[in-house]
Amino acid sequence: EAQVTQNPRYLITVTGKKLTVTCSQNMNHEYMSWYRQDPGLGLRQIYYSMNVEVTDKGDVPEGYKVSRKEKRNFPLILESPSPNQTSLYFCASSLSEFQPQHFGDGTRLSIL
Amino acid sequence: KQEVTQIPAALSVPEGENLVLNCSFTDSAIYNLQWFRQDPGKGLTSLLLIQSSQREQTSGRLNASLDKSSGRSTLYIAASQPGDSATYLCAPSWNTDKLIFGTGTRLQVFP
Repeated sequence: EAQVTQNPRYLITVTGKKLTVTCSQNMNHEYMSWYRQDPGLGLRQIYYSMNVEVTDKGDVPEGYKVSRKEKRNFPLILESPSPNQTSLYFCASSLSEFQPQHFGDGTRLSIL
Repeated sequence: KQEVTQIPAALSVPEGENLVLNCSFTDSAIYNLQWFRQDPGKGLTSLLLIQSSQREQTSGRLNASLDKSSGRSTLYIAASQPGDSATYLCAPSWNTDKLIFGTGTRLQVFP
């Protein structure tokens, strides 16, 4: 089954403790992206990647890192999480930037 | 700055009604526009993608239209059903690498 898989689905952690949210897709998609969704603000792009070893900042990249060492994986790294990063995070992928994006089911992060 | 507005923010209708959800965006120079559906606790599902050169796209009971010059898109849902209850998001793309999302219209269709 074609899918985008995020892990974990839920995480409660404390300020400053490094964490990684993994994202994997099995559709051989070139393009991958991370979004955060906050009430009243909608979805905002954090980082995106057009291909392996190519990443770029979205609208709200501060406090986040990403890597794209393999085509299928695009982890989101919070080196020193803070409470303002409490949010619902989505990973998405598509064949190219012109094709519909497929979304994962989301990761709800709570930073205390 | 490119912005996306969706009206109404919420809508509650009886089953069987035909619906129109609206999306407006600043800057008409878009590449394409997508409509998504989001169910509670779930990710987004792409419903329709309209390229900038197209006027509309149809999928089953859904029809999306695009008027670039006026910065508007509409999603028409025919003969609504309770299973259509969800949040609907529009997302224009102004360059090749990102979407900008509206805050959505929360739809409830009651039996």
